Amino acid sequence: GQNIDQPTEMTATEGAIVQINCTYQTSGFNGLFWYQQHAGEAPTFLSYNVLDGLEEKGRFSSFLSRSKGYSYLLLKELQMKDSASYLCAVNKRNTPLVFGKGTRLSVIA
Amino acid sequence: DVKVTQSSRYLVKRTGEKVFLECVQDMDHENMFWYRQDPGLGLRLIYFSYDVKMKEKGDIPEGYSVSREKKERFSLILESASTNQTSMYLCASSFPVRQGTYEQYFGPGTRLTVT
Repeated sequence: GQNIDQPTEMTATEGAIVQINCTYQTSGFNGLFWYQQHAGEAPTFLSYNVLDGLEEKGRFSSFLSRSKGYSYLLLKELQMKDSASYLCAVNKRNTPLVFGKGTRLSVIA
Repeated sequence: DVKVTQSSRYLVKRTGEKVFLECVQDMDHENMFWYRQDPGLGLRLIYFSYDVKMKEKGDIPEGYSVSREKKERFSLILESASTNQTSMYLCASSFPVRQGTYEQYFGPGTRLTVT
């Protein structure tokens, strides 16, 4: 089976940096996705990490350590519109994506 | 742009009714998925399909069935709706693994209320 853990809720201040962690335990690991989901809307793709290390994409970066079963999403220069849920999802060989329960981020002024 | 559409954004049905949720994608994706999303439980996979006429059970298939008669369309069926099936239902599609991409594209969701 697989176990994916991420914090339920986080709060951060506009303009700050926030790190959302995701840990997983699974066999046949291929890679890890991060999705953003605004309230009442569908999840949208943010990043996909296959190899260890940090991948940067504008204000958002995602990190993966395959040996530690650990990933994080880093959001810089937070804006109010970043208030959303952030879902990590494990891509496992020959099976559909397995999603964590999501982290609800609230950005406050 | 990939487009995944779902037949309704909001739906209210009575207990015992048969309910059809339709999903259509226009990117020629072979893989299609149905999830439900509930507060505190996250996204849970109901059924998925890797090809026309093909279906596989996900984590919570009880009380649901699916139909994939055409590549672009994947239907979720609640044979006899119950109040515990009140939820947000999300459809997604993707290319097959052999094409080297795994990203799932989601539809806007159907918020189903069973009274």
